[in-house]
Amino acid sequence: AQSVTQLGSHVSVSEGALVLLRCNYSSSVPPYLFWYVQYPNQGLQLLLKYTSAATLVKGINGFEAEFKKSETSFHLTKPSAHMSDAAEYFCAVSDRSNQGGKLIFGQGTELSVKP
Amino acid sequence: GAVVSQHPSWVICKSGTSVKIECRSLDFQATTMFWYRQFPKQSLMLMATSNEGSKATYEQGVEKDKFLINHASLTLSTLTVTSAHPEDSSFYICSARMSGGGGAFFGQGTRLTVV
Repeated sequence: AQSVTQLGSHVSVSEGALVLLRCNYSSSVPPYLFWYVQYPNQGLQLLLKYTSAATLVKGINGFEAEFKKSETSFHLTKPSAHMSDAAEYFCAVSDRSNQGGKLIFGQGTELSVKP
Repeated sequence: GAVVSQHPSWVICKSGTSVKIECRSLDFQATTMFWYRQFPKQSLMLMATSNEGSKATYEQGVEKDKFLINHASLTLSTLTVTSAHPEDSSFYICSARMSGGGGAFFGQGTRLTVV
């Protein structure tokens, strides 16, 4: 079975500061990993995905994540937070047979950005 | 590309009535779509996998007679909440999978309120 754990249900940073959102996964098979962002009352937007190519994945809006198999982690980072980054972030895992379709989500991390 | 449209965005219905939610992939064909449910301040829970031309696969604990899923074409899946009750009030989100490991793209969600 697969699972995802996001450490910290709420993270608060100052504008311009580093954003680090943590995600650890559990999977018995090589996984696909994803980060999504959700704004209030909206669907999910894909930020980036890892599907077995480069372990450092760059996404939209300046976000990136690094797949570390030894640590079973896929943490999301952004060097400098912007007010518009305030949202809910979800890490998700899928096995390769589902081609990234059927997703198991973490609990979510709410990111707040202070002026 | 990769746009998924969900309709309606919100709906209010009376207890005992049925509500249909549509999920359309606008610029790609999706043999598989997924339906999720999200409670306030919580993560997404997979309800079922919708397969074009065949029966949906429901997750454990999801009542298939309550949540009817029809995937009649390669671009449309529908979720019907039958005999809705207030506890069915939730945010329902669909996603459609692209082939080749591209991951899933999400609709904007439907806020269902049963009064």
